Amino acid sequence: GESVGLHLPTLSVQEGDNSIINCAYSNSASDYFIWYKQESGKGPQFIIDIRSNMDKRQGQRVTVLLNKTVKHLSLQIAATQPGDSAVYFCATTNDYKLSFGAGTTVTVRA
Amino acid sequence: DAGVIQSPRHEVTEMGQEVTLRCKPISGHNSLFWYRQTMMRGLELLIYFNNNVPIDDSGMPEDRFSAKMPNASFSTLKIQPSEPRDSAVYFCASSKQGGTEAFFGQGTRLTVV
Repeated sequence: GESVGLHLPTLSVQEGDNSIINCAYSNSASDYFIWYKQESGKGPQFIIDIRSNMDKRQGQRVTVLLNKTVKHLSLQIAATQPGDSAVYFCATTNDYKLSFGAGTTVTVRA
Repeated sequence: DAGVIQSPRHEVTEMGQEVTLRCKPISGHNSLFWYRQTMMRGLELLIYFNNNVPIDDSGMPEDRFSAKMPNASFSTLKIQPSEPRDSAVYFCASSKQGGTEAFFGQGTRLTVV
């Protein structure tokens, strides 16, 4: 079966610093790897995805890195802001099935 | 577009009662997902539909849970009979077929007492 996990349940970051959130996965057949953000009281929201044949993709203030050799995915957030405080999930897709990992709670310190 | 619409937002029911959660996906989206979120188990995929057809229901906990999608604009998740351990936030999400960007509703917070 599929397993998507995260290395750390919580991450505290100083405002303005860069954040790195890590994720390990087990299913090498995943088509895409995705990061979602969930704010309190809301549903998860898509941040960025990366196709399985890529190793890096950049968005606005975010970069996703994929290391298929060690089955590792990371999300880097540049210049972390208070609005980045949320739970971050990595997810994978396989035949349209979207599966989520456990989530990392990011807290931004002022 | 109003996004994915779920109802009710909150539901409190007594053990043994039937509970029906409702979802209206985004128009034009072909895939619909039902998730359950708890502190202990995180976001669990219960079932997903593609073009109104259930593709994978392996995440449905037991026979007490059932889901339907009678048309492209409506889906229900039913629990009968409900139990206290079913207490959770249930999310519905939709996406374009094969898309990675799923749009989530606000969720239904279910409490079974």
